[in-house]
Amino acid sequence: EPEVTQTPSHQVTQMGQEVILRCVPISNHLYFYWYRQILGQKVEFLVSFYNNEISEKSEIFDDQFSVERPDGSNFTLKIRSTKLEDSAMYFCASSLQGAFGNQPQHFGDGTRLSIL
Amino acid sequence: AQSVSQHNHHVILSEAASLELGCNYSYGGTVNLFWYVQYPGQHLQLLLKYFSGDPLVKGIKGFEAEFIKSKFSFNLRKPSVQWSDTAEYFCAVNGPSGGYQKVTFGIGTKLQVIP
Repeated sequence: EPEVTQTPSHQVTQMGQEVILRCVPISNHLYFYWYRQILGQKVEFLVSFYNNEISEKSEIFDDQFSVERPDGSNFTLKIRSTKLEDSAMYFCASSLQGAFGNQPQHFGDGTRLSIL
Repeated sequence: AQSVSQHNHHVILSEAASLELGCNYSYGGTVNLFWYVQYPGQHLQLLLKYFSGDPLVKGIKGFEAEFIKSKFSFNLRKPSVQWSDTAEYFCAVNGPSGGYQKVTFGIGTKLQVIP
C-alpha cells in the first residue's frame, strides 16, 4: 500500500535556526496537510495545501511557518526561526480529494523536532 | 471551534475483554468522523470512518463505531481485544465548524492489553 514518507525521522536544531521538514505524499493525492503533536497534547492541524496554495491554516501557522511544493513529489514545512515551543512531532498527511470527496487523510510516520 | 473529547486517556484490559472508547464532538451539522490508531513506533493509520449512511461503521481488525447524531458521539468498540491492539487511539472529526480541510483530533486514548 502506498505511504506518505517523511524525512528526517528526528531533527535536532538550535533555537533560532531555520528547519525544513520534508514529506513525500502519496503520488496521486492532491491535498496535503501538516499537523503537529506537542508531547502529551493533541494532534493539532497546522495547514492544508491544494493546487499550489494554502487552502486553510490554523492560528498556530504564523509568519514563522511556510509550506511549499517545490517539485512534483515533495511537500515541505519550513520554520524560519525556531523556538523552544516548536519542539513537537510533525505529521504530514495527504488525501486524494478534499474533505467531502469521501477520501480520508493518510499520515506519515512523523518527524520529531527537538529544539535546543 | 470544533473540539473532540475522548473520555478515557488510559485503558488497561485483559485479552478477550470487550472495549468501548468514548468520543464526543462539539458542533453538529454535517461532519466526517474518524478513528485513527497509532501502534508503538508507527504512523497514524485510519481504523474506520463515517461520512454518511449506516451509522454503524465497521473498520479493520474487528473494530466498529456507532455515530449517534443526537448525542454528538462516535464511540469505538471491539467485542474481544487482543494483545496486538495495544496502541493509542484517536477520534477525529472535520467540519463544519473550523472548516472541512482540517481534521480536529481528540487527545487520544492509550490502550494497553495484557496477555
